Amino acid sequence: KQEVTQIPAALSVPEGENLVLNCSFTDSAIYNLQWFRQDPGKGLTSLLLIQSSQREQTSGRLNASLDKSSGRSTLYIAASQPGDSATYLCAVMDAGGTSYGKLTFGQGTILTVHP
Amino acid sequence: DGGITQSPKYLFRKEGQNVTLSCEQNLNHDAMYWYRQDPGQGLRLIYYSQIVNDFQKGDIAEGYSVSREKKESFPLTVTSAQKNPTAFYLCASRSREGYTFGSGTRLTVV
Repeated sequence: KQEVTQIPAALSVPEGENLVLNCSFTDSAIYNLQWFRQDPGKGLTSLLLIQSSQREQTSGRLNASLDKSSGRSTLYIAASQPGDSATYLCAVMDAGGTSYGKLTFGQGTILTVHP
Repeated sequence: DGGITQSPKYLFRKEGQNVTLSCEQNLNHDAMYWYRQDPGQGLRLIYYSQIVNDFQKGDIAEGYSVSREKKESFPLTVTSAQKNPTAFYLCASRSREGYTFGSGTRLTVV
């Protein structure tokens, strides 16, 4: 059974810092990995999707890497801003016909960026 | 703009009542999903549908039912058999570019 762990559970940083959020998963047979952002009381916004054959994806100040063999992904946020404050969720989709596209989520990292 | 619309945003259920959460998408995606989010437990899969007129139970389907009569719509009914329905419910659809989520419905038992 796939399990996803995110570290740290919470992070508070001053504006302008570069930071790294970590995600690990127990079964390396994944189809893809997706990073989401969730603001309080809101739905999930997709940030980056990494297919199993890819090593990293970039969007603006965000960079996500994937090391499938070791079961790890990192989300790098450059020059953090107060508007980046949110919960960041990592989710993996298992490979194989029985996965039916289900996502297994981590518990999330609550990020606070203070001015 | 293409996306997923969930309604209502807030819903209150009395004991013994069935309630239905709406989910509509205009992304032309075949696959649709319902997840439940509880504090400290992350998101868990309730039901999914990979094509019209077909749907399957997820990890926590007891007390819930769904239908998929149209590609665009995937409503979730929370029945009186669901003993702890208070949660945040998220609908999603999936393509090769990944998942797209709606804005959620917060259900509270009163």
